Amino acid sequence: QKEVEQDPGPLSVPEGAIVSLNCTYSNSAFQYFMWYRQYSRKGPELLMYTYSSGNKEDGRFTAQVDKSSKYISLFIRDSQPSDSATYLCAMSASGGGADGLTFGKGTHLIIQP
Amino acid sequence: DAGITQSPRHKVTETGTPVTLRCHQTENHRYMYWYRQDPGHGLRLIHYSYGVKDTDKGEVSDGYSVSRSKTEDFLLTLESATSSQTSVYFCAISVQGRNTEAFFGQGTRLTVV
Repeated sequence: QKEVEQDPGPLSVPEGAIVSLNCTYSNSAFQYFMWYRQYSRKGPELLMYTYSSGNKEDGRFTAQVDKSSKYISLFIRDSQPSDSATYLCAMSASGGGADGLTFGKGTHLIIQP
Repeated sequence: DAGITQSPRHKVTETGTPVTLRCHQTENHRYMYWYRQDPGHGLRLIHYSYGVKDTDKGEVSDGYSVSRSKTEDFLLTLESATSSQTSVYFCAISVQGRNTEAFFGQGTRLTVV
């Protein structure tokens, strides 16, 4: 079993819908949780990070962490065609530079105009 | 792009030849990383560096070596390229040693034939 599981999709939704992207993990030491967006043939772009359990909101994006269930989510409100990309979750235990990130495989999201 | 430049952006090489990929940063960040991204595996850490001449192995370091003789440059070398090393390679930096703020370059697409 991989440490981080993420449904690869594709997930196709109409413009304006609320999108829910999720990851599950097995390592209870993870405390820092990141979401990246990656457009085709580009590098991953950091969207936001959350420490421990709870919610964090940034514009149309909300990140949610439930450590008791080892489950994290990214919600996108009022989805736009420009949100079409692959979304990667990433995690680490310490948050420090010597602790490399553990990534999910990514979910390919398609927003239909 | 957080001041990260990867070169070359694309390379085709033959099995058994040495290959060096370069990552250059302009902002004097201490931590630098090399990841590879493959379908079905996501992003995996190869090596990282925490300063000049200070490096350590990641999850998939076999067949790779790295060097960092200057703060701004982090080199990844495949001593004898194999077809299994066909991948997209990403360099990353972390801001102030926090991997919650890791930023990626645009990637190098390497094909070993």
